[in-house]
Amino acid sequence: GQSLEQPSEVTAVEGAIVQINCTYQTSGFYGLSWYQQHDGGAPTFLSYNALDGLEETGRFSSFLSRSDSYGYLLLQELQMKDSASYFCAVGTGFQKLVFGTGTRLLVSP
Amino acid sequence: DAGVTQSPTHLIKTRGQQVTLRCSPKSGHDTVSWYQQALGQGPQFIFQYYEEEERQRGNFPDRFSGHQFPNYSSELNVNALLLGDSALYLCASSLRLVEAFFGQGTRLTVV
Repeated sequence: GQSLEQPSEVTAVEGAIVQINCTYQTSGFYGLSWYQQHDGGAPTFLSYNALDGLEETGRFSSFLSRSDSYGYLLLQELQMKDSASYFCAVGTGFQKLVFGTGTRLLVSP
Repeated sequence: DAGVTQSPTHLIKTRGQQVTLRCSPKSGHDTVSWYQQALGQGPQFIFQYYEEEERQRGNFPDRFSGHQFPNYSSELNVNALLLGDSALYLCASSLRLVEAFFGQGTRLTVV
């Protein structure tokens, strides 16, 4: 089977740093992506790792360890607008994405 | 660029009915994928269309079918609707694996 596990909810305060972990077990692996989804909105692409290591995009960074089937999304300098659901997703070939269960991030003042 | 557009935005259907959802991909994108997202869950892959053919399919019954047109737009059809088909249906277009662009989705409610 295919599964991606994430914490269901994470809470933090404005200005803080938060890490959202993702462990995966999939048949086929072409990279780990992260998507943000606000309530009632569409998932939007944040970051992608095809190789081991850290990718940095502004306040967001993503890490991948293929040997551990593990990755994380790091959000720095949290803002209220970062309150949303975050999904990790594995590309399993031909642009098919297998999504995780999602992590709801609540940022408080 | 209008991005990925889906219609309708909301729909209410009765059990047993059939529904057709539509998607126009981002300009220049040739691959369209459909996902079903139940409340509080991650999107689940239904199927993908490329060059007007179904290229991949997820674990969904044959009641779910689709089509892609020469202009790359796509339709998702669901027959014999069940209460459990109530969900947000998302269309995503892409050119390559790295980034998929999602539409706002169609919220389907089956009563």
